[in-house]
Amino acid sequence: EAQVTQNPRYLITVTGKKLTVTCSQNMNHEYMSWYRQDPGLGLRQIYYSMNVEVTDKGDVPEGYKVSRKEKRNFPLILESPSPNQTSLYFCASSLSFQGSEQYFGPGTRLTVT
Amino acid sequence: KQEVTQIPAALSVPEGENLVLNCSFTDSAIYNLQWFRQDPGKGLTSLLLIQSSQREQTSGRLNASLDKSSGRSTLYIAASQPGDSATYLCAVTSNRDDKIIFGKGTRLHILP
Repeated sequence: EAQVTQNPRYLITVTGKKLTVTCSQNMNHEYMSWYRQDPGLGLRQIYYSMNVEVTDKGDVPEGYKVSRKEKRNFPLILESPSPNQTSLYFCASSLSFQGSEQYFGPGTRLTVT
Repeated sequence: KQEVTQIPAALSVPEGENLVLNCSFTDSAIYNLQWFRQDPGKGLTSLLLIQSSQREQTSGRLNASLDKSSGRSTLYIAASQPGDSATYLCAVTSNRDDKIIFGKGTRLHILP
């Protein structure tokens, strides 16, 4: 089944404890992206990747890191999480950037205390 | 900077009615516009993708139009059903800075 998977789905952590949210797609998509969704602010793009080893900042990249060493994986890294990073996170992928629909993962609900 | 607006924020209509959801964007320099559906606590499901060179796309009871010059898109839902209740989001892909910008969505409730 073609899909985007994220792990973990739920995570509660403490301020400053490094964490990684994994994202994987099995559709051989070139483009991958991370978003956060907050009440009243909607979905905002954090980072995106056009292809392997190519990443760029979205609208809200502060406090996050990403890497794209393989085409299928695009992990989101929070080196020192803070309470304002408590949010619902989505990973998405598409065949190409310009002309393809995006497929979304199920989301990761992160709480930082 | 591209801004995407969806009005109204919430909408309730009786079952069976046809309805239109609106999406407007400030910069016409886009590759495409995509409509999504999101159920509570769930991820986003793609409904329709319109390329910048296209005027409309149709899928079943859904029809999306795009007027790039005026910065507007509409999602038309025919013969609404209770199962259509969800939040509908539009997103544009900018060809100025390669970013994807979402509207805040319209929360739709179909009354049985």
